[in-house]
Amino acid sequence: SAVISQKPSRDICQRGTSLTIQCQVDSQVTMMFWYRQQPGQSLTLIATANQGSEATYESGFVIDKFPISRPNLTFSTLTVSNMSPEDSSIYLCSVVVDMDIQYFGAGTRLSVL
Amino acid sequence: GENVEQHPSTLSVQEGDSAVIKCTYSDSASNYFPWYKQELGKGPQLIIDIRSNVGEKKDQRIAVTLNKTAKHFSLHITETQPEDSAVYFCAASKATGFQKLVFGTGTRLLVSP
Repeated sequence: SAVISQKPSRDICQRGTSLTIQCQVDSQVTMMFWYRQQPGQSLTLIATANQGSEATYESGFVIDKFPISRPNLTFSTLTVSNMSPEDSSIYLCSVVVDMDIQYFGAGTRLSVL
Repeated sequence: GENVEQHPSTLSVQEGDSAVIKCTYSDSASNYFPWYKQELGKGPQLIIDIRSNVGEKKDQRIAVTLNKTAKHFSLHITETQPEDSAVYFCAASKATGFQKLVFGTGTRLLVSP
């Protein structure tokens, strides 16, 4: 398994501002991911964070809105840019360990006013 | 692409009863099916998974069954306890290397004492 730490655990932000979320893993992992979970909804993959190269974004998500960094094999950040109330969600990072088993962090609960 | 449907959306049982949650998937190439439990304020926690070369898997009070022909899989919880109350998500992927997890819509399970 893996221990995943996300910071901050929650935040309240003003519209038009940006928030950077950090994800730290206790071991080196090849694959890290960022998900969004809108209130009462399921999980939607935002992007795959690739170490040493640009992130791979899913349909409907763009780099300008959700820039991602992956400086090494244990750390990644997701920035939610130019926020609006529609960005209020839980943002989750996850890692793949043991071939295809995916583990999640506790999430960042974001409210945008 | 893959589509995963999950039923029911809510399930209320009495403590000690059994609970069954069902999922269907659309892509016959999917071969890895994890189940996650998400408690309030926490990230999804992997509770059990099954691969397509297996028809059933058990772990104490939890079991998962897979019918590849019908393309559906189910989570069975026996002797439910109040601490089983949570949202449960099924997911599917083509686990050759890592393929994206596609999640179901979630089932809110409430176990009453």
